[in-house]
Amino acid sequence: NAGVTQTPKFRVLKTGQSMTLLCAQDMNHEYMYWYRQDPGMGLRLIHYSVGEGTTAKGEVPDGYNVSRLKKQNFLLGLESAAPSQTSVYFCASSYPRAWELFFGEGSRLTVL
Amino acid sequence: SQQGEEDPQALSIQEGENATMNCSYKTSINNLQWYRQNSGRGLVHLILIRSNEREKHSGRLRVTLDTSKKSSSLLITASRAADTASYFCATGSIDYKLSFGAGTTVTVRA
Repeated sequence: NAGVTQTPKFRVLKTGQSMTLLCAQDMNHEYMYWYRQDPGMGLRLIHYSVGEGTTAKGEVPDGYNVSRLKKQNFLLGLESAAPSQTSVYFCASSYPRAWELFFGEGSRLTVL
Repeated sequence: SQQGEEDPQALSIQEGENATMNCSYKTSINNLQWYRQNSGRGLVHLILIRSNEREKHSGRLRVTLDTSKKSSSLLITASRAADTASYFCATGSIDYKLSFGAGTTVTVRA
């Protein structure tokens, strides 16, 4: 049982480049989330999805786009990376109207 | 903006001692949760306490919630080296989104 899997685990980008982070979960969870974690700031919600084909903005959505074409996958895209997007990104999932989040191991992104 | 704020930011204790950390929040909540994060890993759910509960136990963990003071505490009893980690409180609101604090880093010395 893999749980929540994020790829890639590490990536270095140059300013202006684009990339996509993939999150896959095998728990049949309806809800999926993307957070970023920065030193001293805890986790901040970027975007989330309450089901296949739905997405919504979180606390810090600017500069990111997401898609949930399949229930098990949640993609986070950076169209034009900026140094301010250097962070560790975490994907999480949960059952509907349940509160416990299951997290992936994180994707560390550096934008030069 | 962060809903929860943990205190202290860092805590160093001897193995076998108890560790206590606090979380304060600003608005009404449905529940409050605590998560643990080992270095370089994802967060792991520890315990959830609902807004109508005052205390909850799970193994060596004890969580209290005081909604009148908008605060919670996490107590880890008889700490072990494996308890070395960062601990985050997260508040849940009616829209099923969690808001995390900045965390408390706990170091357990052998």
